[in-house]
Amino acid sequence: DAMVIQNPRYQVTQFGKPVTLSCSQTLNHNVMYWYQQKSSQAPKLLFHYYDKDFNNEADTPDNFQSRRPNTSFCFLDIRSPGLGDAAMYLCATSPRGAMNTEAFFGQGTRLTVV
Amino acid sequence: RKEVEQDPGPFNVPEGATVAFNCTYSNSASQSFFWYRQDCRKEPKLLMSVYSSGNEDGRFTAQLNRASQYISLLIRDSKLSDSATYLCVVNLNSGNTPLVFGKGTRLSVIA
Repeated sequence: DAMVIQNPRYQVTQFGKPVTLSCSQTLNHNVMYWYQQKSSQAPKLLFHYYDKDFNNEADTPDNFQSRRPNTSFCFLDIRSPGLGDAAMYLCATSPRGAMNTEAFFGQGTRLTVV
Repeated sequence: RKEVEQDPGPFNVPEGATVAFNCTYSNSASQSFFWYRQDCRKEPKLLMSVYSSGNEDGRFTAQLNRASQYISLLIRDSKLSDSATYLCVVNLNSGNTPLVFGKGTRLSVIA
């Protein structure tokens, strides 16, 4: 059974039209991450939550926001998607500070901006 | 210096070959190390964790060299199905720090 679930798998949105991507987890992990991955590039961390503490990467555009209403769910809001925001968005979770514990990824949401 | 650096490749090797990738990390306080495999248009999946003593899983061997701050992945008897991008991932494991990914090394195993 999938432990980190992202919805939808594929999302098409119009230029400038707000879009929300969702992620849920059944692992009860403290940490949830959002990564952006463009073609042939490494996943780029946008932000992460450590429980309810939100941590934004310095170079994450203001256009990207996130919400974590509870342990299980995390949302990525793109307020005004541009063509350059087309990418795969990956959600991942990990337990807090556990040694040698990997991150668990969802299958990703592939965002297309038209 | 980037936090996690990898040779992007591509490494093009014939079936049956042995291939090795290295990854260097800049933060000496890093605690956990992983190799992930990512297939085209799919999410990264854990290949193996890397332990101080080195570890082996079938045809895959991972090593950690803390003194020189690098980890390595060795693949023996390469299969066509090993073709993928291999991502090096490092974790400080202290409180509020995220995983840090390298840019990945692309491997193509050729028949």
